[in-house]
Amino acid sequence: AQSVTQLGSHVSVSEGALVLLRCNYSSSVPPYLFWYVQYPNQGLQLLLKYTSAATLVKGINGFEAEFKKSETSFHLTKPSAHMSDAAEYFCAVTLRTNAGGTSYGKLTFGQGTILTVHP
Amino acid sequence: SQTIHQWPATLVQPVGSPLSLECTVEGTSNPNLYWYRQAAGRGLQLLFYSVGIGQISSEVPQNLSASRPQDRQFILSSKKLLLSDSGFYLCAWTTGFSNEQFFGPGTRLTVL
Repeated sequence: AQSVTQLGSHVSVSEGALVLLRCNYSSSVPPYLFWYVQYPNQGLQLLLKYTSAATLVKGINGFEAEFKKSETSFHLTKPSAHMSDAAEYFCAVTLRTNAGGTSYGKLTFGQGTILTVHP
Repeated sequence: SQTIHQWPATLVQPVGSPLSLECTVEGTSNPNLYWYRQAAGRGLQLLFYSVGIGQISSEVPQNLSASRPQDRQFILSSKKLLLSDSGFYLCAWTTGFSNEQFFGPGTRLTVL
């Protein structure tokens, strides 16, 4: 079984400051990891994903995340926050399709982190 | 390109009334389909998933049911809504070879 923990349900930063959203996962087999963003009353949009290639993953809107197996982490960062980054962010994990058993592509999500960006 | 539709976008229903939410996917075939519920401050909860027509798996016991009458159609239903069914319902799809899920725009359900 897999699980995801997002540290901090709310993060507040100033415009132009570094954004760091934390995600730790638990998985019995090598996982795929994802970050999604959700704007109010909208569906989720994929920011980036880790699927066992490069451990530093670059995504849309200037975001990136680094897979650290030794720390079981997949933290999301952005060097300089914009007002438009204000949203809720979700980290998610799923099993690789060749990991044994059948995950049916099911994602396990963290509880989400609301990012506030103030001027 | 693939798109996913959900309707209605918003719905206000009285307690005890029936429910039918629809999700359709275009531009792909034989997708895995998922229904999630997002309650305030509680993240996303997987309710049902389907790997093919007529194949439904339930993740949590609840007042809801799901059906997949066609390859790219996924329906969430209830015979009698409860107050606790209020929330934001999201449909998602993925192919059998990709673990990335693509989400619809969601339906906001308020049960009064």
